[in-house]
Amino acid sequence: DVKVTQSSRYLVKRTGEKVFLECVQDMDHENMFWYRQDPGLGLRLIYFSYDVKMKEKGDIPEGYSVSREKKERFSLILESASTNQTSMYLCASSLQGTEQFFGPGTRLTVL
Amino acid sequence: GENVEQHPSTLSVQEGDSAVIKCTYSDSASNYFPWYKQELGKRPQLIIDIRSNVGEKKDQRIAVTLNKTAKHFSLHITETQPEDSAVYFCAASLPNYGQNFVFGPGTRLSVLP
Repeated sequence: DVKVTQSSRYLVKRTGEKVFLECVQDMDHENMFWYRQDPGLGLRLIYFSYDVKMKEKGDIPEGYSVSREKKERFSLILESASTNQTSMYLCASSLQGTEQFFGPGTRLTVL
Repeated sequence: GENVEQHPSTLSVQEGDSAVIKCTYSDSASNYFPWYKQELGKRPQLIIDIRSNVGEKKDQRIAVTLNKTAKHFSLHITETQPEDSAVYFCAASLPNYGQNFVFGPGTRLSVLP
């Protein structure tokens, strides 16, 4: 079974803090994604990566950056957290042209 | 770019009845359409998918239909059960980034006993 794990289920941070969210997959998938999920808005793509050290902006990249130094690991970075970044963050991975497998999510609260 | 609309946003049905969720997409070059189910507090999981060379696909109580001309696709759940209660998301692949999806806003399905 594909396993996608995220470093934290719940996280509380203060405005202005730097926040790291980490995602690890164990199935050698080349593609990895970061989404945020907000009620009524579905899943919105923040960044994605289709290879090590490669990254592409999704629909809402402002205020975020990513890092992919190893194939199995994709990190989302909030350089200076703001209250409007309070959300559920979901990581996913996939092979080319197939379904995406999701992690359990990190519920981030920025105070 | 691709835009995916989904209706209804909420749906309540009696146990044993059928449920239908409809999605429309804007880019005729999209060729892969997955459906995800997200139970409360859990991650989204794929329940069924369809590719553009197929008009219908069934898996036990769930089926998906695709109308490429009209650019819409639908999820059908028959003989609904309480464990079908969840949020359902449709998605369409992006033509230039086949691994990327655009998701609909979701439908909250409640199956009433």
